[in-house]
Amino acid sequence: SQQGEEDPQALSIQEGENATMNCSYKTSINNLQWYRQNSGRGLVHLILIRSNEREKHSGRLRVTLDTSKKSSSLLITASRAADTASYFCATDGFGNEKLTFGTGTRLTIIP
Amino acid sequence: GAGVSQSPRYKVAKRGQDVALRCDPISGHVSLFWYQQALGQGPEFLTYFQNEAQLDKSGLPSDRFFAERPEGSVSTLKIQRTQQEDSAVYLCASSLEPIETQYFGPGTRLLVL
Repeated sequence: SQQGEEDPQALSIQEGENATMNCSYKTSINNLQWYRQNSGRGLVHLILIRSNEREKHSGRLRVTLDTSKKSSSLLITASRAADTASYFCATDGFGNEKLTFGTGTRLTIIP
Repeated sequence: GAGVSQSPRYKVAKRGQDVALRCDPISGHVSLFWYQQALGQGPEFLTYFQNEAQLDKSGLPSDRFFAERPEGSVSTLKIQRTQQEDSAVYLCASSLEPIETQYFGPGTRLLVL
């Protein structure tokens, strides 16, 4: 079963705009990770944020984590056509190495 | 270095046929995971190995599914007497240590007719 949900399920924006997607989860976590999946391809790891961190940056990506609300957000700034993909958040628990994925946000960047 | 590789990339099976899916993890990675991804959904956990030991198989949907990693490197996921509901993408991931970043292979797309 899925751990939680991403919101929105689908998002279309113009190239150059910022894209924000949210992830909610149900149980206590150790780490939260964001992955990107292009059509028909495997998952590419984007960023990992630990439960004791609140914000993390990597290039054009900014991730926040609010453990009190059991939610995370992924911000992609200055979007590019190549950012078109599905984005998933995934969590693991203490002593539980498996990842539990959300339902994904399908992002389309319009050139 | 080379990433996680999986073979075959595509597999069409007749219902009732047995299939074997292979995963080559990143060299030196201790942990190996199998996930199943249905169309339009996020991946769901199947099973987890630490070296050759299968530590968690709670996600395997039935006793028709079997996974092994006999030498702590390459892993095989076997599905016996395939059913149409087994049609999905099967993803393998490895990590250097438990509770670290998991790196995914391209997946095997299985279609059962």
